[in-house]
Formats: sequence, C-alpha cells, structure tokens
Amino acid sequence: GAVVSQHPSRVICKSGTSVKIECRSLDFQATTMFWYRQFPKKSLMLMATSNEGSKATYEQGVEKDKFLINHASLTLSTLTVTSAHPEDSSFYICSAYTGQVAGYTFGSGTRLTVV
Amino acid sequence: QKEVEQNSGPLSVPEGAIASLNCTYSDRVSQSFFWYRQYSGKSPELIMSIYSNGDKEDGRFTAQLNKASQYVSLLIRDSQPSDSATYLCAVIFSNNYGQNFVFGPGTRLSVLP
Repeated sequence: GAVVSQHPSRVICKSGTSVKIECRSLDFQATTMFWYRQFPKKSLMLMATSNEGSKATYEQGVEKDKFLINHASLTLSTLTVTSAHPEDSSFYICSAYTGQVAGYTFGSGTRLTVV
Repeated sequence: QKEVEQNSGPLSVPEGAIASLNCTYSDRVSQSFFWYRQYSGKSPELIMSIYSNGDKEDGRFTAQLNKASQYVSLLIRDSQPSDSATYLCAVIFSNNYGQNFVFGPGTRLSVLP
C-alpha cells in the first residue's frame, strides 16, 4: 500500500533554531499533503495544507511565517519550524490522501522537543 | 462548521468483552467515514473505512454506519489489552472548494487484563 515516509522521527533543538521535517510519498504522487500537530493527550490539529507548486493554506491561528511549508515536488513536502521555542514542542504528523478505500495515510510523526 | 464528535473516554472494558466506540458528524451529505487507531506517541493507522449504511466487518472489527442518524460506530469483539489506544473517527466533508478531512477528538480505550 501507499507509504508516507516522515523524517526525522525525533529531534531536540535549542530555542531559537530552526528545524525541518520532511515527508515523502513513496510509490505515489501526493499533490496535497496535510500537516498536523498533536499535543500530549490531545487530538490532531490540522495546521496547514500544502499543495505542490503553490502556496500552502494555513488554518486559522497558525503562523505562516513560523511554520514554513514547501511542496516543491509531487513526492516531497517539508515543514520548517523557524525560531523554535519550547511551546513549539509537539508531535508533528503529515498525511496524504491515498484513495477512497485507504483514506488518508500518515507519516510516522516527528517528536520535536525545544530546550 | 463541519464537526465530528466522540466521547473522549476513557472507555474501560475487560479483556474478551466487546468495546463499542461511537461517533457523530454534522454534515448530512458526508459520504466517507474512517476509523483510525493511535497508540501513544505514534501516528494514526487506518483500521477501516465505510461508505454505505449498515455494517462492515473486518476480523474483530465491525464498523456501523447510519447516515440518517449521522452516526458511525466501531465495535471491537474479543477485546485485547493490545487494543488499548485512542480511536479516531474521521469524516470527509465535501464542498464546492474540494474536500476536508476532519478528525473527531478521539476516544481512549483501555482493555483491562
């Protein structure tokens, strides 16, 4: 089946630095990729929708200048957390639509810890 | 605003029992419904999808859809401790601009040995 590969799985960074998270669609082309954030014991929150070759669409309350999304090819979308702060520490997950039966397939997630 | 609602739980059932997870959604025209399981610290994984009214069975799992009542449920038979996780209901809402995939808040299930 379709696989979404997400890297890194875990990252610890210092406050003020930037972190890039990559999501790749394997064996299929993802014109659209979705980025979620999840705080402990909370539900998934959609942050933004990235579209290949165009600007991402951000959900209300998500700072586009802080969470930079690039979807330069049909198989790669990246999320960069710029000038990270401890409150950005969270679990970030990407997903792509893989058809009516499979629905949305998720990457394995990235645990970001900002110290 | 499109909404998907679930009881947050935790729902505790003894090992071997049937666990019943419920989900309601706000949009009558929704056509696609999904159940995902998420273990702590992991990303969601698809259990099953359902599109037609009635029951759909896959192993120990049965999804039930009632579009008139805007209700979808997941039954887990012979529950095992390994089924302990958060179960997310998801619905695809369509509009003139495309489709939105909306998750419910999830129900935490605890299967007690």
